[in-house]
Amino acid sequence: DSGVTQTPKHLITATGQRVTLRCSPRSGDLSVYWYQQSLDQGLQFLIQYYNGEERAKGNILERFSAQQFPDLHSELNLSSLELGDSALYFCASSVRGQTNSPLHFGNGTRLTVT
Amino acid sequence: EDQVTQSPEALRLQEGESSSLNCSYTVSGLRGLFWYRQDPGKGPEFLFTLYSAGEEKEKERLKATLTKKESFLHITAPKPEDSATYLCAVYTPTSGTYKYIFGTGTRLKVLA
Repeated sequence: DSGVTQTPKHLITATGQRVTLRCSPRSGDLSVYWYQQSLDQGLQFLIQYYNGEERAKGNILERFSAQQFPDLHSELNLSSLELGDSALYFCASSVRGQTNSPLHFGNGTRLTVT
Repeated sequence: EDQVTQSPEALRLQEGESSSLNCSYTVSGLRGLFWYRQDPGKGPEFLFTLYSAGEEKEKERLKATLTKKESFLHITAPKPEDSATYLCAVYTPTSGTYKYIFGTGTRLKVLA
Protein backbone atom coordinates (compact mmCIF):
# COMPACT_ATOMS: atom_id res chain seq x y z
CA ASP A 1 0.00 0.00 0.00
CA SER A 2 1.57 3.28 -1.17
CA GLY A 3 -0.50 5.41 1.21
CA VAL A 4 -1.97 7.44 -1.66
CA THR A 5 -5.76 7.16 -1.86
CA GLN A 6 -7.81 7.84 -4.96
CA THR A 7 -11.58 7.86 -5.30
CA PRO A 8 -13.63 6.71 -7.01
CA LYS A 9 -11.99 3.58 -8.41
CA HIS A 10 -14.28 3.48 -11.41
CA LEU A 11 -16.32 6.15 -13.12
CA ILE A 12 -18.62 5.73 -16.11
CA THR A 13 -20.16 8.81 -17.64
CA ALA A 14 -21.44 10.20 -20.92
CA THR A 15 -19.84 12.56 -23.38
CA GLY A 16 -20.24 16.21 -22.49
CA GLN A 17 -20.43 15.55 -18.75
CA ARG A 18 -18.15 16.75 -15.97
CA VAL A 19 -16.48 14.61 -13.31
CA THR A 20 -14.23 15.16 -10.30
CA LEU A 21 -11.48 12.79 -9.25
CA ARG A 22 -10.12 12.95 -5.73
CA CYS A 23 -6.68 12.18 -4.31
CA SER A 24 -5.33 12.08 -0.76
CA PRO A 25 -1.52 12.07 -0.67
CA ARG A 26 0.66 10.08 1.72
CA SER A 27 0.87 11.50 5.19
CA GLY A 28 3.56 14.19 5.22
CA ASP A 29 3.75 14.58 1.44
CA LEU A 30 3.19 18.14 0.24
CA SER A 31 3.37 17.62 -3.50
CA VAL A 32 0.70 16.01 -5.69
CA TYR A 33 1.03 15.02 -9.32
CA TRP A 34 -1.68 13.94 -11.76
CA TYR A 35 -1.03 11.56 -14.64
CA GLN A 36 -3.14 10.10 -17.43
CA GLN A 37 -2.53 6.62 -18.80
CA SER A 38 -4.49 5.52 -21.84
CA LEU A 39 -4.62 1.96 -23.16
CA ASP A 40 -1.13 0.91 -24.22
CA GLN A 41 0.15 4.43 -23.61
CA GLY A 42 2.74 5.63 -21.19
CA LEU A 43 2.15 7.90 -18.24
CA GLN A 44 1.34 11.41 -19.42
CA PHE A 45 2.04 14.15 -16.88
CA LEU A 46 -0.88 16.53 -16.43
CA ILE A 47 -0.18 18.87 -13.51
CA GLN A 48 1.68 19.24 -10.22
CA TYR A 49 0.71 21.04 -7.02
CA TYR A 50 2.93 21.81 -4.06
CA ASN A 51 1.44 22.87 -0.75
CA GLY A 52 -1.64 24.30 -2.41
CA GLU A 53 0.02 26.06 -5.30
CA GLU A 54 0.35 24.97 -8.92
CA ARG A 55 4.01 24.12 -9.56
CA ALA A 56 4.17 22.65 -13.07
CA LYS A 57 1.92 21.92 -16.02
CA GLY A 58 2.23 19.16 -18.57
CA ASN A 59 -0.06 18.12 -21.38
CA ILE A 60 -3.23 19.15 -19.60
CA LEU A 61 -6.20 20.12 -21.74
CA GLU A 62 -8.03 23.40 -21.11
CA ARG A 63 -11.13 21.32 -20.28
CA PHE A 64 -9.24 19.87 -17.33
CA SER A 65 -8.38 21.68 -14.12
CA ALA A 66 -7.09 20.78 -10.70
CA GLN A 67 -6.56 22.21 -7.26
CA GLN A 68 -4.95 21.28 -3.98
CA PHE A 69 -6.76 22.15 -0.78
CA PRO A 70 -5.36 23.29 2.61
CA ASP A 71 -5.58 19.72 3.93
CA LEU A 72 -3.38 18.77 0.93
CA HIS A 73 -5.91 16.57 -0.83
CA SER A 74 -6.29 17.30 -4.51
CA GLU A 75 -9.08 17.15 -7.05
CA LEU A 76 -8.88 16.83 -10.82
CA ASN A 77 -11.87 18.19 -12.68
CA LEU A 78 -12.61 16.97 -16.19
CA SER A 79 -15.33 18.73 -18.16
CA SER A 80 -16.98 18.47 -21.58
CA LEU A 81 -15.84 14.89 -21.63
CA GLU A 82 -15.00 13.18 -24.91
CA LEU A 83 -14.62 9.51 -25.76
CA GLY A 84 -10.87 10.00 -25.95
CA ASP A 85 -10.72 11.04 -22.32
CA SER A 86 -11.36 7.43 -21.29
CA ALA A 87 -8.24 6.40 -19.41
CA LEU A 88 -6.71 5.61 -16.05
CA TYR A 89 -5.97 8.72 -14.04
CA PHE A 90 -3.28 8.42 -11.42
CA CYS A 91 -2.34 10.66 -8.57
CA ALA A 92 1.14 10.51 -7.07
CA SER A 93 2.71 12.29 -4.15
CA SER A 94 6.19 13.14 -2.94
CA VAL A 95 7.62 14.87 0.08
CA ARG A 96 8.61 18.18 -1.45
CA GLY A 97 8.06 20.10 -4.66
CA GLN A 98 11.52 19.83 -6.13
CA THR A 99 13.26 16.81 -4.85
CA ASN A 100 14.76 13.69 -6.26
CA SER A 101 12.69 11.46 -4.04
CA PRO A 102 10.46 8.92 -5.79
CA LEU A 103 6.80 9.44 -6.57
CA HIS A 104 4.32 7.18 -4.81
CA PHE A 105 1.21 6.38 -6.83
CA GLY A 106 -2.37 5.61 -5.94
CA ASN A 107 -4.25 2.85 -7.70
CA GLY A 108 -5.98 5.26 -10.01
CA THR A 109 -9.45 6.11 -11.19
CA ARG A 110 -10.60 4.31 -14.32
CA LEU A 111 -12.73 6.72 -16.32
CA THR A 112 -14.97 5.40 -19.08
CA VAL A 113 -16.74 7.93 -21.28
CA THR A 114 -19.59 6.48 -23.36
CA GLU B 1 15.08 16.87 -26.17
CA ASP B 2 14.93 14.92 -22.92
CA GLN B 3 14.00 11.32 -23.60
CA VAL B 4 13.70 7.97 -21.82
CA THR B 5 13.56 4.79 -23.88
CA GLN B 6 12.90 1.30 -22.56
CA SER B 7 13.65 -1.95 -24.31
CA PRO B 8 12.43 -4.43 -25.14
CA GLU B 9 8.77 -3.41 -25.28
CA ALA B 10 7.75 -6.91 -24.31
CA LEU B 11 9.61 -9.93 -22.99
CA ARG B 12 8.53 -13.53 -22.42
CA LEU B 13 10.67 -15.69 -20.16
CA GLN B 14 10.43 -19.20 -18.86
CA GLU B 15 10.43 -19.51 -15.10
CA GLY B 16 14.06 -19.45 -13.94
CA GLU B 17 15.35 -17.83 -17.14
CA SER B 18 17.29 -14.73 -16.11
CA SER B 19 17.32 -11.59 -18.25
CA SER B 20 17.75 -7.82 -18.20
CA LEU B 21 15.54 -4.87 -19.04
CA ASN B 22 17.08 -1.68 -20.38
CA CYS B 23 16.31 1.98 -19.73
CA SER B 24 18.37 4.45 -21.73
CA TYR B 25 18.08 8.17 -21.21
CA THR B 26 19.09 11.41 -22.86
CA VAL B 27 18.64 14.27 -20.42
CA SER B 28 20.41 17.50 -19.60
CA GLY B 29 21.13 16.40 -16.04
CA LEU B 30 20.22 13.32 -14.04
CA ARG B 31 19.13 13.88 -10.44
CA GLY B 32 17.68 10.42 -9.94
CA LEU B 33 16.48 7.33 -11.81
CA PHE B 34 13.56 5.30 -10.54
CA TRP B 35 12.22 1.84 -11.32
CA TYR B 36 8.58 0.91 -10.85
CA ARG B 37 6.50 -2.22 -11.25
CA GLN B 38 2.96 -1.85 -12.56
CA ASP B 39 0.36 -4.60 -12.48
CA PRO B 40 -2.68 -4.35 -14.79
CA GLY B 41 -5.20 -1.82 -13.56
CA LYS B 42 -3.00 -0.75 -10.66
CA GLY B 43 -0.74 2.19 -9.96
CA PRO B 44 3.02 1.94 -10.41
CA GLU B 45 4.73 0.50 -7.34
CA PHE B 46 8.09 2.01 -6.43
CA LEU B 47 11.04 -0.40 -6.54
CA PHE B 48 14.39 1.42 -6.59
CA THR B 49 16.10 4.80 -6.75
CA LEU B 50 19.56 5.22 -8.27
CA TYR B 51 21.41 8.52 -8.07
CA SER B 52 24.85 8.11 -9.58
CA ALA B 53 26.71 5.99 -12.12
CA GLY B 54 28.01 2.78 -10.61
CA GLU B 55 25.27 2.54 -8.03
CA GLU B 56 23.42 -0.76 -7.60
CA LYS B 57 20.33 -1.73 -5.63
CA GLU B 58 18.87 -5.19 -4.99
CA LYS B 59 15.54 -6.55 -3.85
CA GLU B 60 14.80 -10.24 -3.93
CA ARG B 61 15.24 -11.37 -7.56
CA LEU B 62 15.68 -7.83 -8.89
CA LYS B 63 18.88 -5.83 -9.23
CA ALA B 64 19.08 -2.33 -10.70
CA THR B 65 22.28 -0.78 -12.00
CA LEU B 66 23.11 2.64 -13.42
CA THR B 67 25.65 4.01 -15.90
CA LYS B 68 25.96 7.51 -17.34
CA LYS B 69 23.62 6.67 -20.22
CA GLU B 70 21.41 3.79 -19.12
CA SER B 71 20.07 1.62 -16.36
CA PHE B 72 19.45 -2.08 -16.29
CA LEU B 73 16.96 -4.06 -14.27
CA HIS B 74 18.32 -7.59 -13.93
CA ILE B 75 15.85 -10.32 -13.08
CA THR B 76 17.42 -13.48 -11.72
CA ALA B 77 15.51 -16.77 -11.85
CA PRO B 78 12.15 -15.05 -12.37
CA LYS B 79 8.87 -16.51 -11.19
CA PRO B 80 5.40 -16.10 -12.72
CA GLU B 81 4.53 -13.56 -10.03
CA ASP B 82 7.23 -11.27 -11.47
CA SER B 83 5.02 -10.79 -14.53
CA ALA B 84 4.19 -7.08 -14.79
CA THR B 85 5.11 -3.94 -16.68
CA TYR B 86 8.35 -2.37 -15.47
CA LEU B 87 8.70 1.38 -15.82
CA CYS B 88 11.70 3.58 -15.40
CA ALA B 89 11.66 7.33 -14.83
CA VAL B 90 14.31 10.01 -14.58
CA TYR B 91 14.23 13.22 -12.55
CA THR B 92 15.89 16.01 -14.46
CA PRO B 93 16.12 19.80 -14.44
CA THR B 94 14.28 21.64 -17.18
CA SER B 95 13.43 25.33 -17.78
CA GLY B 96 14.13 26.42 -14.24
CA THR B 97 12.31 23.55 -12.60
CA TYR B 98 12.49 19.77 -12.41
CA LYS B 99 10.40 17.04 -13.95
CA TYR B 100 9.96 13.29 -13.97
CA ILE B 101 10.13 11.68 -17.40
CA PHE B 102 8.73 8.16 -17.69
CA GLY B 103 9.56 5.52 -20.25
CA THR B 104 6.75 3.51 -21.84
CA GLY B 105 7.73 0.35 -20.01
CA THR B 106 8.67 -3.26 -20.65
CA ARG B 107 5.85 -5.80 -20.38
CA LEU B 108 7.31 -8.91 -18.78
CA LYS B 109 5.57 -12.26 -18.89
CA VAL B 110 7.10 -15.18 -16.98
CA LEU B 111 5.76 -18.59 -17.92
CA ALA B 112 5.56 -21.47 -15.47
